[in-house]
Amino acid sequence: GNSVTQMEGPVTLSEEAFLTINCTYTATGYPSLFWYVQYPGEGLQLLLKATKADDKGSNKGFEATYRKETTSFHLEKGSVQVSDSAVYFCALRPNSGNTPLVFGKGTRLSVIA
Amino acid sequence: DARVTQTPRHKVTEMGQEVTMRCQPILGHNTVFWYRQTMMQGLELLAYFRNRAPLDDSGMPKDRFSAEMPDATLATLKIQPSEPRDSAVYFCASGSRVGGNTEAFFGQGTRLTVV
Repeated sequence: GNSVTQMEGPVTLSEEAFLTINCTYTATGYPSLFWYVQYPGEGLQLLLKATKADDKGSNKGFEATYRKETTSFHLEKGSVQVSDSAVYFCALRPNSGNTPLVFGKGTRLSVIA
Repeated sequence: DARVTQTPRHKVTEMGQEVTMRCQPILGHNTVFWYRQTMMQGLELLAYFRNRAPLDDSGMPKDRFSAEMPDATLATLKIQPSEPRDSAVYFCASGSRVGGNTEAFFGQGTRLTVV
């Protein structure tokens, strides 16, 4: 079956620190991979995506590279800001049909000034 | 700015009452998903529709939950009777594979509290 495992939170960092949130997946075929972000009281917003191996998704200083050999899609940012405090979800979508996203459990990030 | 619209944003109700949550998907999207988010379980898929037809509702407690799409612009999730354990945030999302897009777009959710 399809599943996503991401690192447990919460993660607390100081402003300007380097961020890594690990995500690995299990899937048949070649899924699309996503990172969503959820700010307090809001719905999930797409942060970035990658649809094939070695693709790098990037947005707002965040990056993640689709690594088929390690079945990973780790999220990174070189210098976090207080405004990045949110819950981050890794997700996959099998690449056939309009099937639902499969989400990881989410990682809460708190950035302190 | 196309977005998924959910109403109401917040709902407090007494145990045993009927609750109806509504979702307007993005115009042109042919797939609608309902998710439930709780602290304990995270995001759980309840049901999803393609072209208004239910494809999978195995995530829903069938005895009390029902999901429908009366037309392409409206999806509903109904709980009858509601129970305190149904307290959660319910998200609707829509998507379409047109143009190779694979992501789902989420509404802001309905926060349900059953007392």
